[in-house]
Amino acid sequence: GIQVEQSPPDLILQEGANSTLRCNFSDSVNNLQWFHQNPWGQLINLFYIPSGTKQNGRLSATTVATERYSLLYISSSQTTDSGVYFCAASGSARQLTFGSGTQLTVLP
Amino acid sequence: KAGVTQTPRYLIKTRGQQVTLSCSPISGHRSVSWYQQTPGQGLQFLFEYFSETQRNKGNFPGRFSGRQFSNSRSEMNVSTLELGDSALYLCASSTSSLAGELFFGEGSRLTVL
Repeated sequence: GIQVEQSPPDLILQEGANSTLRCNFSDSVNNLQWFHQNPWGQLINLFYIPSGTKQNGRLSATTVATERYSLLYISSSQTTDSGVYFCAASGSARQLTFGSGTQLTVLP
Repeated sequence: KAGVTQTPRYLIKTRGQQVTLSCSPISGHRSVSWYQQTPGQGLQFLFEYFSETQRNKGNFPGRFSGRQFSNSRSEMNVSTLELGDSALYLCASSTSSLAGELFFGEGSRLTVL
């Protein structure tokens, strides 16, 4: 099945800084999603982005399917952005394979 | 529009017992999938149901089972609980079994003592 790798595993930022999270995947995908896991465990949908670029406020994401990677950009980070960010992908098999996540800490 | 609802949110069981978790998908969604999250293994796929049929199964022992009802609600069951089954169990719903965005519930946090 698909392998999904995320980097960096940990990221510490000062409030107001920008950041880029990366997700590499091993095969062609028909689904790629970015999630933010809140402190209670729920996975909050950020982007459904098997290809192309999307923006939502301070967050944006780009997936280059031919090169098998996706990037999540967070601009002007806030303390409320802290938490774990997951990338998940699926290919011919329907189930999502999750990366191991990026633990983001934004300091005031 | 109501989101994905999982019950119970928290539960504590002892080894050897069994547990049933419930998931109500978003209205109109016919696909329900289940994932297990543990600190050691991360998020792993358990199984997926679409129109009451299991379409896909992950690499878990037969103690883990599930089903889907005609109203798309799903249950998963874990029998003969082991300490290692302690985890956050997440349910996701989607309109399609083949592709499309998944939406997750808040999860059921199981502790096995």
